[in-house]
Amino acid sequence: EPEVTQTPSHQVTQMGQEVILRCVPISNHLYFYWYRQILGQKVEFLVSFYNNEISEKSEIFDDQFSVERPDGSNFTLKIRSTKLEDSAMYFCASKEHVRSSYNSPLHFGNGTRLTVT
Amino acid sequence: GQQVMQIPQYQHVQEGEDFTTYCNSSTTLSNIQWYKQRPGGHPVFLIQLVKSGEVKKQKRLTFQFGEAKKNSSLHITATQTTDVGTYFCAGLGGSYIPTFGRGTSLIVHP
Repeated sequence: EPEVTQTPSHQVTQMGQEVILRCVPISNHLYFYWYRQILGQKVEFLVSFYNNEISEKSEIFDDQFSVERPDGSNFTLKIRSTKLEDSAMYFCASKEHVRSSYNSPLHFGNGTRLTVT
Repeated sequence: GQQVMQIPQYQHVQEGEDFTTYCNSSTTLSNIQWYKQRPGGHPVFLIQLVKSGEVKKQKRLTFQFGEAKKNSSLHITATQTTDVGTYFCAGLGGSYIPTFGRGTSLIVHP
């Protein structure tokens, strides 16, 4: 079964450094998402991406965050200047389509655990 | 914005006991999805409910969507140790972006 893949699985960085988290969504999916989960807490929406542009973003997704789809397969999340509170598990997800009568489920990757020291 | 509340946060049960988690939305939903996250894993889709009052079953799991499409529940009959994990509801409104509840962590004692 096709999977969403994320790299790296674990990233340790110093406060103020830039990090890029990488994701390869499922190939025939059209909608891409980044969520994050602080240890033991809920899964929080960051941003959605469709047709090569951001379709929606949350309050968490401020100017230090950006997303890109640099080629036909990769989907990246960049955090420009990391803060201690950015430490979390970052999940990439993709879904096939959106219809009013049925919404495709999200397929999540295994996540990147970001630790900011 | 849309908020999804889920209770309880944790539930300890003896193997064989039943388990229920409840989900409430501040707004009427178009549909609701349920996900399971095993310890150290990622959320995995279980099911989606679309219609008002809908009930769906997957073996020992029963999912309900309220008549007003603002609440939902997941009930597991006769829990097993393989049921351990965190169960999330995710509500979808007009934007079709799932908003996750806090999750209920199920701990099953053998």
